[in-house]
Amino acid sequence: DTAVSQTPKYLVTQMGNDKSIKCEQNLGHDTMYWYKQDSKKFLKIMFSYNNKELIINETVPNRFSPKSPDKAHLNLHINSLELGDSAVYFCASSLSNYGYTFGSGTRLTVV
Amino acid sequence: KNEVEQSPQNLTAQEGEFITINCSYSVGISALHWLQQHPGGGIVSLFMLSSGKKKHGRLIATINIQEKHSSLHITASHPRDSAVYICAVLIANGNKLVFGAGTILRVKS
Repeated sequence: DTAVSQTPKYLVTQMGNDKSIKCEQNLGHDTMYWYKQDSKKFLKIMFSYNNKELIINETVPNRFSPKSPDKAHLNLHINSLELGDSAVYFCASSLSNYGYTFGSGTRLTVV
Repeated sequence: KNEVEQSPQNLTAQEGEFITINCSYSVGISALHWLQQHPGGGIVSLFMLSSGKKKHGRLIATINIQEKHSSLHITASHPRDSAVYICAVLIANGNKLVFGAGTILRVKS
């Protein structure tokens, strides 16, 4: 019944590895987002997709590649992980910028 | 300087106290959100405002568009209100939320 579910909740991996975080929403929302929360708890948008189309791509290294197979899913793939990628990544969805619902977050630790 | 500034950064209150958290922004917005993040990390949307005032239980949110300022009030605070409260604005003519740095609230019993 979870509205926005992201997996995994925790991810510990070595530098240089490639990893993916998955996100699914069952709210019928048309827009999905990835946000990064750094060690100081500051949230910042990374990507936004509306109906499977990329509409926001902030200044994010191209090692990060979002993929939206359909409007209920937005996955985040990260290549060649670096120590600085350690953070909590939140997926969220909304209906045309209203009614934001957040996932529970994925804590990524790169060692 | 961040486009969204919150104050205070940290707030400790005694149970039962009235609490106010402030948010000022410097950009044109179409809406403002107040979010709550508990230890353990999940983020919950409390309010979305574009004008006036909203109330939900012991929480009240107000916004003054002319002054570019919003407040979140908690009446009769309780230890379970302890969390990080985050103000976020939806940029006008844009599709992105810009977040404040958050206010860490601790309510002691």
